[in-house]
Amino acid sequence: DSGVTQTPKHLITATGQRVTLRCSPRSGDLSVYWYQQSLDQGLQFLIQYYNGEERAKGNILERFSAQQFPDLHSELNLSSLELGDSALYFCASSVGSEGATYEQYFGPGTRLTVT
Amino acid sequence: DAKTTQPNSMESNEEEPVHLPCNHSTISGTDYIHWYRQLPSQGPEYVIHGLTSNVNNRMASLAIAEDRKSSTLILHRATLRDAAVYYCILRRTGANSKLTFGKGITLSVRP
Repeated sequence: DSGVTQTPKHLITATGQRVTLRCSPRSGDLSVYWYQQSLDQGLQFLIQYYNGEERAKGNILERFSAQQFPDLHSELNLSSLELGDSALYFCASSVGSEGATYEQYFGPGTRLTVT
Repeated sequence: DAKTTQPNSMESNEEEPVHLPCNHSTISGTDYIHWYRQLPSQGPEYVIHGLTSNVNNRMASLAIAEDRKSSTLILHRATLRDAAVYYCILRRTGANSKLTFGKGITLSVRP
């Protein structure tokens, strides 16, 4: 158990819909990262928040947005869903924001299926 | 980010040592070498990291070449639970701490 929790575990929805994925970081971790894992693209970084502020953006679509709340939990909002958005979405957390030595702790993921 | 190159897959026998190679010929002096693994149906998990010297922890050892252009993750006694995708990732000092995953190496462990 990494200490990172994600809900829901599975989500099935239709094209055009909007969903919200939730992540609670490990106690004491200030950074939250979101990653997407699909069969064709592999594991890709989407976005990072540190102590409530956006710190880095990766390959995140404009239809996707995220935020980190004062209690440090984070939500990833996916809207106007397309079939290609079906993937595993992982949240990770770490103590710091920058630097090369911080470990990232990953949650169990949310499996999103868009039909 | 500097690039890493790993074989697509490797096989090993249970209870034998496993050496997983990684090439990173364009590594810079401030790049740390990290290894993560992803067990089936789970999120990635941190394994080990190092800069120049060899490193040991309870999970594995990391052997870093003297010129730092390659490294090897060593699992001393493979178990069935070690079957996973292993990712070798470079992280630069002072840069954002996001992880850039490649394809990784798929390790199969035979009983």
